[in-house]
Amino acid sequence: SQKIEQNSEALNIQEGKTATLTCNYTNYSPAYLQWYRQDPGRGPVFLLLIRENEKEKRKERLKVTFDTTLKQSLFHITASQPADSATYLCALDPTDSWGKLQFGAGTQVVVTP
Amino acid sequence: DTGVSQNPRHKITKRGQNVTFRCDPISEHNRLYWYRQTLGQGPEFLTYFQNEAQLEKSRLLSDRFSAERPKGSFSTLEIQRTEQGDSAMYLCASSLVIGSSYEQYFGPGTRLTVT
Repeated sequence: SQKIEQNSEALNIQEGKTATLTCNYTNYSPAYLQWYRQDPGRGPVFLLLIRENEKEKRKERLKVTFDTTLKQSLFHITASQPADSATYLCALDPTDSWGKLQFGAGTQVVVTP
Repeated sequence: DTGVSQNPRHKITKRGQNVTFRCDPISEHNRLYWYRQTLGQGPEFLTYFQNEAQLEKSRLLSDRFSAERPKGSFSTLEIQRTEQGDSAMYLCASSLVIGSSYEQYFGPGTRLTVT
């Protein structure tokens, strides 16, 4: 069966350091992968999309890599700030139907001053 | 505000009652999605619409669930004969599927509690 796995333990990190989150998937061959941020009691907010032919993508302090051989994506937050504290979700479209997303359970990031 | 809106934000109902949620997507978006999220889990896909056509329904969506998107604008999700297992956050999202843009914009969700 198709599965998306993210670190279930919260990631506690000091302000200014780089947070690295992992998303592993099995039994998929996705054309693209997305990362979202979710704050408590709110809906997810889109951050980045990376395609299968892209190895790396950046947006401000965020960087995403996509290794289709390892079936893994890494999400980095550089120079982390307390405002980056949230749960980060990775999502795949299992049928490449442009929108029917399957999400991982998310990894909570806590950035302390 | 031009984002996705959902109403109500919270709903408490007794088991066996029917409930209906509304989602107003971003106006120019042609796709609308419904997801369900329980504590500690990511959102689970329920169904989606391309304009007014419902294109796919998840196996999670039992016969007690029905969704509509009349005229391709707002959407409603109805749950009949609610059960305690229906307690969750119901999220709506919309997107404009054109070219290579696939990101989804989520609403704040409707939290359902079935007592």
